[in-house]
Amino acid sequence: AQSVTQLGSHVSVSEGALVLLRCNYSSSVPPYLFWYVQYPNQGLQLLLKYTTGATLVKGINGFEAEFKKSETSFHLTKPSAHMSDAAEYFCAVSASGGSYIPTFGRGTSLIVHP
Amino acid sequence: DGGITQSPKYLFRKEGQNVTLSCEQNLNHDAMYWYRQDPGQGLRLIYYSQIVNDFQKGDIAEGYSVSREKKESFPLTVTSAQKNPTAFYLCASSPGDRGQETQYFGPGTRLLVL
Repeated sequence: AQSVTQLGSHVSVSEGALVLLRCNYSSSVPPYLFWYVQYPNQGLQLLLKYTTGATLVKGINGFEAEFKKSETSFHLTKPSAHMSDAAEYFCAVSASGGSYIPTFGRGTSLIVHP
Repeated sequence: DGGITQSPKYLFRKEGQNVTLSCEQNLNHDAMYWYRQDPGQGLRLIYYSQIVNDFQKGDIAEGYSVSREKKESFPLTVTSAQKNPTAFYLCASSPGDRGQETQYFGPGTRLLVL
């Protein structure tokens, strides 16, 4: 079984500030980890993913995430927030064996203040 | 351009009525999925299909039905048995059924009950 916990349903930052969105996972096998972004009334699009290899993963729009096995975490960061980053962010986990269907977290809404 | 299309963008259902949501992809992907999104609950899997003429129930299949007669198409019917159908419905596809594969999402259909 696998599960994802996203801490904080809403995160509010000022433009130019650090963005940190937290994701912890549970998986009985080595996980594959994803971050997706959803803009209002749209579908999701992939920001970045971890499969194997380097634990620091860089994605689109300046986002990155680090896979920390010891902490079962995959937090998403961006050094400087832009107004255009305001959106809903979803962390997801799938398994390297068994069920390939990803399990999504409940999402974190990022609010960016001018 | 390759992608996933969903129609209609908005759909209204009357009491006791079945409605069908369309999902078409031209990405040549084998796997397709239907998710339901409610505020604060993330994405919940309704049905998925790994190959033409085959599909599997997800976590919340009751009150829904699907077909997969063509590789490109995976329509979802919301039946009258689904008592709380108001939600945002997302269709997705992936190249195959391996856990590390990215899911590609359509723009969604918002279903409202009259």
